[in-house]
Amino acid sequence: EAQVTQNPRYLITVTGKKLTVTCSQNMNHEYMSWYRQDPGLGLRQIYYSMNVEVTDKGDVPEGYKVSRKEKRNFPLILESPSPNQTSLYFCASSASGRGGEQYFGPGTRLTVT
Amino acid sequence: RKEVEQDPGPFNVPEGATVAFNCTYSNSASQSFFWYRQDCRKEPKLLMSVYSSGNEDGRFTAQLNRASQYISLLIRDSKLSDSATYLCVVTTGGGADGLTFGKGTHLIIQP
Repeated sequence: EAQVTQNPRYLITVTGKKLTVTCSQNMNHEYMSWYRQDPGLGLRQIYYSMNVEVTDKGDVPEGYKVSRKEKRNFPLILESPSPNQTSLYFCASSASGRGGEQYFGPGTRLTVT
Repeated sequence: RKEVEQDPGPFNVPEGATVAFNCTYSNSASQSFFWYRQDCRKEPKLLMSVYSSGNEDGRFTAQLNRASQYISLLIRDSKLSDSATYLCVVTTGGGADGLTFGKGTHLIIQP
């Protein structure tokens, strides 16, 4: 089954404790991206990647890192999480880049206390 | 500054009615347009792409007005299952721009 998977689905952590949210797609898509969704602010793009080893900042990259060592994986790293990073995070992939259909993962709900 | 605007609603509509909502975009260089549907706390899923000539998929019709820089979504004979948040998505070509999502329009179909 074609899908985007994210882990963990739910995470509660404390300020400053490094964490990684994994994202994996099995559709051989070149384009992948990360979003956060907050009430009243909608979906905002954090980072995106056009291909392996090619990443670029989105609208809200501060406090986040990403890597794209393999085509299928695009982990999101929070080196020192803060409470303002409490949010719902979605990973997405696309065969046609930003102009094509985006397939979203199920989301990761992160709470930083 | 890229910007996509939607009326957040909620729109409360009786079952069977026709409902329409718009999305305006500020960047005249925008190239691709989409409507996504998002159910509560779930991931967004593509509803339909929006073509210059307009397109229809069953009860759903999407249109693009480049001159006035907006796209629209029309839902005919609305069903209870149409209750969701509808996200407008706009892309611009070139440079480092990615996708821009509107904040969504919340639609509630009432029996």
